[in-house]
Amino acid sequence: AQKVTQAQTEISVVEKEDVTLDCVYETRDTTYYLFWYKQPPSGELVFLIRRNSFDEQNEISGRYSWNFQKSTSSFNFTITASQVVDSAVYFCALSEVNYGGSQGNLIFGKGTKLSVKP
Amino acid sequence: DAMVIQNPRYQVTQFGKPVTLSCSQTLNHNVMYWYQQKSSQAPKLLFHYYDKDFNNEADTPDNFQSRRPNTSFCFLDIRSPGLGDAAMYLCATSSGTGVTGELFFGEGSRLTVL
Repeated sequence: AQKVTQAQTEISVVEKEDVTLDCVYETRDTTYYLFWYKQPPSGELVFLIRRNSFDEQNEISGRYSWNFQKSTSSFNFTITASQVVDSAVYFCALSEVNYGGSQGNLIFGKGTKLSVKP
Repeated sequence: DAMVIQNPRYQVTQFGKPVTLSCSQTLNHNVMYWYQQKSSQAPKLLFHYYDKDFNNEADTPDNFQSRRPNTSFCFLDIRSPGLGDAAMYLCATSSGTGVTGELFFGEGSRLTVL
């Protein structure tokens, strides 16, 4: 069965601190995709990143970076020099690749609520 | 400009009174999804359409129905809302090329059941 675990329910940091959000996944598929989404208080889920299972290269986008390690089934997300605007709930998600033409389901973790205080 | 638009943003209904939530998209995406997100929980897929093909998740209650009259619009009908159906309902779209891609979410419709 596919499963995504975000063990950190809530994290609180002070502005400019670095923070890492953990994500551990389980899947029997050899081909899959991993995602991070941000959900600000307004409610919509904002796409941050997608990685496929064959690409373990770490990625950096501005203050955001992602560390994908298949050996430990982890896909962790780090925010460097956090800002108040980073306060949100962050979801890690897993999807299988479905070549039948229909989309695979996104399995979400329970989310980590990040509070960045000034 | 918003690409996935949900209406209404907030809906209050009475126990057992049917409600319809709508979703429209300007992306011309093949796939449209409805997720249910209860307070402090992860979004849970209810069903999705690939073009006109309807795909229901096994554990989605019969109380939830959906319609997709054309590419741009998709509706979620809750026939007899119960207190447990109070949640945020999220619509999402994707291009459905056969490989999982980015999902574009609307801002959600928050349903309150009195």
